[in-house]
Amino acid sequence: KQEVTQIPAALSVPEGENLVLNCSFTDSAIYNLQWFRQDPGKGLTSLLLIQSSQREQTSGRLNASLDKSSGRSTLYIAASQPGDSATYLCAVRQREGLETSGSRLTFGEGTQLTVNP
Amino acid sequence: EAGVVQSPRYKIIEKKQPVAFWCNPISGHNTLYWYRQNLGQGPELLIRYENEEAVDDSQLPKDRFSAERLKGVDSTLKIQPAELGDSAVYLCASSLGSEQFFGPGTRLTVL
Repeated sequence: KQEVTQIPAALSVPEGENLVLNCSFTDSAIYNLQWFRQDPGKGLTSLLLIQSSQREQTSGRLNASLDKSSGRSTLYIAASQPGDSATYLCAVRQREGLETSGSRLTFGEGTQLTVNP
Repeated sequence: EAGVVQSPRYKIIEKKQPVAFWCNPISGHNTLYWYRQNLGQGPELLIRYENEEAVDDSQLPKDRFSAERLKGVDSTLKIQPAELGDSAVYLCASSLGSEQFFGPGTRLTVL
């Protein structure tokens, strides 16, 4: 059974700092990995999706890397802003197809980020 | 383009009462998911539909939970009867390819 762990559980940084969020997973046979952002009382917003054949994806100040063999992914946020304050969730998808669990996303518990002005 | 729509956004009920949640996925998305998210945890899949067929419901507590997607578009998730432990946020998501898009969720409180 796939297990996803995110470290740290909470992080508080001053505005402008660069930071790294970590995600690890136990089963390296993944199809893709997705990073989400969740604001309080809101749903999930997809930030970046990395296919298993890719090493990294970038969007603006965000960069996500994937090392499938070691079961790790990192989300790098450059020049953090108070508006980045949210919970960041990592999720892995095991494999493609219509098999019963093929499209299931397994989530970590998230990292709660606070960026202080 | 409209995102995934869910209603109601909040629901408070007493235990043993029934409750239903509604989801309208992004137009054209044939895959629909229902997740449950407990406080401080990541979402966990309850059921996945491919069009109108439930292809992964292994984590749905079938004694009290049911779901339907009759025409392969909108979906309803029902709990009857609700228990205290069902208090959570119920999220609906949809996808056409690999990427899943989530709705705002329904926050259920069972008293």
